[in-house]
Order: sequence, then C-alpha cells, then structure tokens
Amino acid sequence: QVTLKESGPGILQPSQTLSLTCTFSGFSLSTYGMGVGWIRQPSGKGLEWLANIWWDDDKYYNPSLKNRLTISKDTSNNQAFLKITNVDTADTATYYCARIGDYDGPFAYWGQGTLVTVSS
Amino acid sequence: DVVLTQTPSILSATIGQSVSISCRSSQSLLDSDGNTYLYWFLQRPGQSPQRLIYLVSNLGSGVPNRFSGSGSGTDFTLKISGVEAEDLGVYYCMQATHALTFGSGTKLEIK
Repeated sequence: QVTLKESGPGILQPSQTLSLTCTFSGFSLSTYGMGVGWIRQPSGKGLEWLANIWWDDDKYYNPSLKNRLTISKDTSNNQAFLKITNVDTADTATYYCARIGDYDGPFAYWGQGTLVTVSS
Repeated sequence: DVVLTQTPSILSATIGQSVSISCRSSQSLLDSDGNTYLYWFLQRPGQSPQRLIYLVSNLGSGVPNRFSGSGSGTDFTLKISGVEAEDLGVYYCMQATHALTFGSGTKLEIK
C-alpha cells in the first residue's frame, strides 16, 4: 500500500526558509523509474507544480520558482524534502507531495497535504 | 511555458447528465517518444487531488468507467457519462510533456 505524508513548520515569517518533508511507504526512491513531486495550492486556488526528484537524483524545477527551490531525498529513510528560500505571504498554501511511478507515471498517489502560513 | 486553458471554469449538471470539460494546450503535447503526457485529476472538497485519467485516455485504477478522456496534440476532453453526486469538485488537466503544468480548473456543481 502506497502512502505519503507531508510535514512542515505550520507557520513561518517572511524571508525565512521553508523546509518540508515527505515521508512515504509502499515504494522506494532507489527503484528505477520512481520519483516524488511537490505541488502546492493556495486556499481556494489552483494547483501549482513545484519540483520533481527521481530515483537517480535527477531533479526538475518549476522555472518560475527555480532559484528559490531545492529538492532532495533520503532513500534509506523513505523521505523527500523541499526547501523554499526567502518566503513571503504568496507562499502561503497547502503543500502536497505525490508519487511518480515507474509504470503508472506521475501523481497517482498523493499525501494529505500540509498547510503552511507565512505571516509576520 | 506551456499554458493549459480549461473550459468551462464552472459547470452545473444534474444527476445523470453527461458533461464534457475541455483542456487546450498552448503547445502540442505529443512527445518525441510518441506518448502524449496529458492527465486528468478530480479534487473533491477538502480532499487531495485524485488522478482519473493518464496518458490522455487511460482510466486510473478504481476510477469508474463513466469517466473517459480523449484528444490529441493540443485539444483534450474529459467526459463524464452520467454525473453522480460524488463527482462534484474541481477537475484539473495536467501536462508533463514540457516540464509540468496544471490547467486552471473546472468546478463541477450538482444542481
């Protein structure tokens, strides 16, 4: 059974760095073709893709946010991470991680999301 | 950047009615490997998105067969043949041929 769960700070101040963790089970990021992606959604708005990381440590970023994003993984502990630097109120959103499957492609499985609020 | 334009933005339907949602891309989504990386998701109120359709027309695991996807190149359609109450929510198309982008969403309301 594939599960993913996001965790984050809940609230942080403008200009700080947001650190998010995705803890998953039911698959391994050491398996050929597997990956994890991060997607966010401001309240009442649409979905925005942020970044993907693959089993071979290849990484892809949303070009509009690339200079603020860093995605990484800890294969041994079944975790993926996302850092966003220099946050502001526009980064307030629910952040999701989702699996990229070797056979079933992107985002067949999602976490429940974690709400992050940027406020002074 | 590839832009996905969904229409309509809001759709109101009665139970049993058949409806369609359009997703138009600013660029062809046909990849050099021959695949078209176009997907459809449903986000029910208060829930995470659920993938319905992958690679244009393939039904996701456990997804009812009243959902179907079609299209090619830049024009794609999600059809629901006989809307049920549980289908209410926001539908998103997503492309993964050129980086990755989501459409702006179509809200399905039940009359």
